[in-house]
Amino acid sequence: ETGVTQTPRHLVMGMTNKKSLKCEQHLGHNAMYWYKQSAKKPLELMFVYSLEERVENNSVPSRFSPECPNSSHLFLHLHTLQPEDSALYLCASSQGPSGALSVHTFGSGTRLTVV
Amino acid sequence: AQTVTQSQPEMSVQEAETVTLSCTYDTSENNYYLFWYKQPPSRQMILVIRQEAYKQQNATENRFSVNFQKAAKSFSLKISDSQLGDTAMYFCAFHSTGNQFYFGTGTSLTVIP
Repeated sequence: ETGVTQTPRHLVMGMTNKKSLKCEQHLGHNAMYWYKQSAKKPLELMFVYSLEERVENNSVPSRFSPECPNSSHLFLHLHTLQPEDSALYLCASSQGPSGALSVHTFGSGTRLTVV
Repeated sequence: AQTVTQSQPEMSVQEAETVTLSCTYDTSENNYYLFWYKQPPSRQMILVIRQEAYKQQNATENRFSVNFQKAAKSFSLKISDSQLGDTAMYFCAFHSTGNQFYFGTGTSLTVIP
């Protein structure tokens, strides 16, 4: 049990679909993150939430819409994606968003394929 | 902006031998944190070891140790007595002020039986 659970594990969607990725943590952490992992590229930080408030938004296209209803749950809503959005989407959590508390615990990711 | 460079896309090592993965970073910060994460085929990234920049002593976790050279901005990972379960992607990461983490592109390590 990782402590951070992501669903679904795999997702194939058409460019006109709307889908959501879910992340859940039971570690009592106060910060949650979405990362995009593409082959041969560094992990790209997409969003950071701290105590349910978005504190970082790294110029992510509006077709990605995060939602953090409480400190244990994080969603990434997807709509009208492009093929280049195909990637592994990783969720992580930490005790806090910065400093020594920022050590990440990751989920196993959602492998997204846009067709 | 901070950058993290891992110059070895792929490496291999014989079981029970020692291997060193390199990582360099660029920053103007003085206080920061460095991490090595392991990503096995299961895809979950697992923290291997971390180092606070203000600590001169190199961090060690069982078979894993780092060589932290602050002036050279180098943070290499040494894996001793390599085991088959060490086969994975290894990512170096940097974190300082703010909420940003910066990751390298990763090194794919294969342990050969």
